[in-house]
Amino acid sequence: DTGVSQNPRHKITKRGQNVTFRCDPISEHNRLYWYRQTLGQGPEFLTYFQNEAQLEKSRLLSDRFSAERPKGSFSTLEIQRTEQGDSAMYLCASSRGAGELFFGEGSRLTVL
Amino acid sequence: GEDVEQSLFLSVREGDSSVINCTYTDSSSTYLYWYKQEPGAGLQLLTYIFSNMDMKQDQRLTVLLNKKDKHLSLRIADTQTGDSAIYFCAESPDPGGFKTIFGAGTRLFVKA
Repeated sequence: DTGVSQNPRHKITKRGQNVTFRCDPISEHNRLYWYRQTLGQGPEFLTYFQNEAQLEKSRLLSDRFSAERPKGSFSTLEIQRTEQGDSAMYLCASSRGAGELFFGEGSRLTVL
Repeated sequence: GEDVEQSLFLSVREGDSSVINCTYTDSSSTYLYWYKQEPGAGLQLLTYIFSNMDMKQDQRLTVLLNKKDKHLSLRIADTQTGDSAIYFCAESPDPGGFKTIFGAGTRLFVKA
């Protein structure tokens, strides 16, 4: 499968714990995006990378959130000191330049 | 700020046409998209239209754009049970994904 891959698919954690999600984009895609999707809503942009550079960050991305793409390939999204309001589906997408977005299946976070 | 509005549910009989409507507020929107999300899957780009077009047809899909009213619609001809999914309308002033604003999605139920 050469699509966008996200892991883990589902994470259940207790409030206050840290979690990390990983995204492996389509190999030739230089742009990588993170979105958050809550129940009954569309995806909301969080941040994006062009190669290894993080070029845009949404105001939704609080100080507890950090994203990296160290070698311009896979990316990680870490949430520190999770809160119940962080419960959501975290979607990763990649594109070749400003072309079509290809989405992964998402990582669902449940904070108890 | 920018906003994209969609009705939440649509139910049609198999073989009928489905029409999913969307309104947006950003007059600088240049790219208007329709995405499909099946259960447990990521978003998949179905089709898109540039703001200088009125209509785009792609097999069973017809997109109509009324730029004056900022109204976008997606018509699916001969709707099949496999078309049951959530359909997201999205708009962007440029093709880069970081400025794409998604609607909350319309859940399409197709009755056999």
